[in-house]
Amino acid sequence: SAVISQKPSRDICQRGTSLTIQCQVDSQVTMMFWYRQQPGQSLTLIATANQGSEATYESGFVIDKFPISRPNLTFSTLTVSNMSPEDSSIYLCSAVTDSVNTEAFFGQGTRLTVV
Amino acid sequence: GNSVTQMEGPVTLSEEAFLTINCTYTATGYPSLFWYVQYPGEGLQLLLKATKADDKGSNKGFEATYRKETTSFHLEKGSVQVSDSAVYFCALRKSTDKLIFGTGTRLQVFP
Repeated sequence: SAVISQKPSRDICQRGTSLTIQCQVDSQVTMMFWYRQQPGQSLTLIATANQGSEATYESGFVIDKFPISRPNLTFSTLTVSNMSPEDSSIYLCSAVTDSVNTEAFFGQGTRLTVV
Repeated sequence: GNSVTQMEGPVTLSEEAFLTINCTYTATGYPSLFWYVQYPGEGLQLLLKATKADDKGSNKGFEATYRKETTSFHLEKGSVQVSDSAVYFCALRKSTDKLIFGTGTRLQVFP
């Protein structure tokens, strides 16, 4: 298994500013992902964080708005740029430990409110 | 494409009642299937999983059986508790592809 720590756990931000969310895993993992969960909704995949290269974004998400880094096998960041109230959501980091064990582990999430 | 369909919530039950949350999927081949649970204010926790047809996943009194013939993975528990109140997500994943979630079903259990 893997334990994922995310920070901050919550934040209230002014519109037009940016917030960087950090995700630290306690062991090396093969894949890391970032999800968004809008209030009362399911999870939507933003992107797959690739180690040492650009993230792979899902339809509707772009690098300028959600830049992602993954400098090594245990750490990733997601930045929410130029925020608006519509970005108020829970952002979740997820990781898969290997290609055989297909389950994904999740962080506790970052609850973001944009005012 | 691959997708997961869950029954609409909320599901409201009295303590000790029987629980079923329906989940069906669309996928080519043989995906792995999962149930995740999200307690209020928390992230997602894996509840149980099944990686091949006829496998039964079980944990904390919850069970789900991977039914290839009906493309289903229904979650069941014989006697729910107030502490089971949460949102339950059915999900599928094929090998190294992304995890695909259903819309989630909120369960509310009253004493």
